[in-house]
Amino acid sequence: DTAVSQTPKYLVTQMGNDKSIKCEQNLGHDTMYWYKQDSKKFLKIMFSYNNKELIINETVPNRFSPKSPDKAHLNLHINSLELGDSAVYFCASSQEPKGMSNQPQHFGDGTRLSIL
Amino acid sequence: RKEVEQDPGPFNVPEGATVAFNCTYSNSASQSFFWYRQDCRKEPKLLMSVYSSGNEDGRFTAQLNRASQYISLLIRDSKLSDSATYLCVVNTDSWGKLQFGAGTQVVVTP
Repeated sequence: DTAVSQTPKYLVTQMGNDKSIKCEQNLGHDTMYWYKQDSKKFLKIMFSYNNKELIINETVPNRFSPKSPDKAHLNLHINSLELGDSAVYFCASSQEPKGMSNQPQHFGDGTRLSIL
Repeated sequence: RKEVEQDPGPFNVPEGATVAFNCTYSNSASQSFFWYRQDCRKEPKLLMSVYSSGNEDGRFTAQLNRASQYISLLIRDSKLSDSATYLCVVNTDSWGKLQFGAGTQVVVTP
């Protein structure tokens, strides 16, 4: 019973392609996130949705577009992939009532994206 | 200056020994603090939250010093399975935006 699951686990593709990564959580959490971990192992937040509403949108290229069809799903679509997009992308979720932020986040096991 | 800074290590620790390391944060308005653990090529997993009065979870003790803006983690009686990267995580706003440190690597040796 995986709590936060993301697919695919590995994604190898060519520069210029468009790809999507899917994330689903079965924890009943209200908030979901996308993070990027680069080769230096630094985790940086990209986006966050609370009940399908975008609440965090960091400075990422607009080639990256999150989509949340419902609060249990947050997908990440990437257009025109570039070499610098190679990284591990983690989805996470938390039970985050509005105005409170002391809840820990639960992470999926990551999608390793390699651009050729 | 990074929002969350950690000594990258590695801290090489003999099995059974104690190891401690700190993390500093720059935003004095930060409200929530956590230690996460990340094994090689795996996802981060919550180790423990850090409370104002300090807290302990088995062999792990976390402390928060708001005046000096740092948190610490102490691991007693280190096990081989404690080998991992420990991520200091600070929540700086009301929407769950976590700032991660780059991690402190701990290697426990037999």
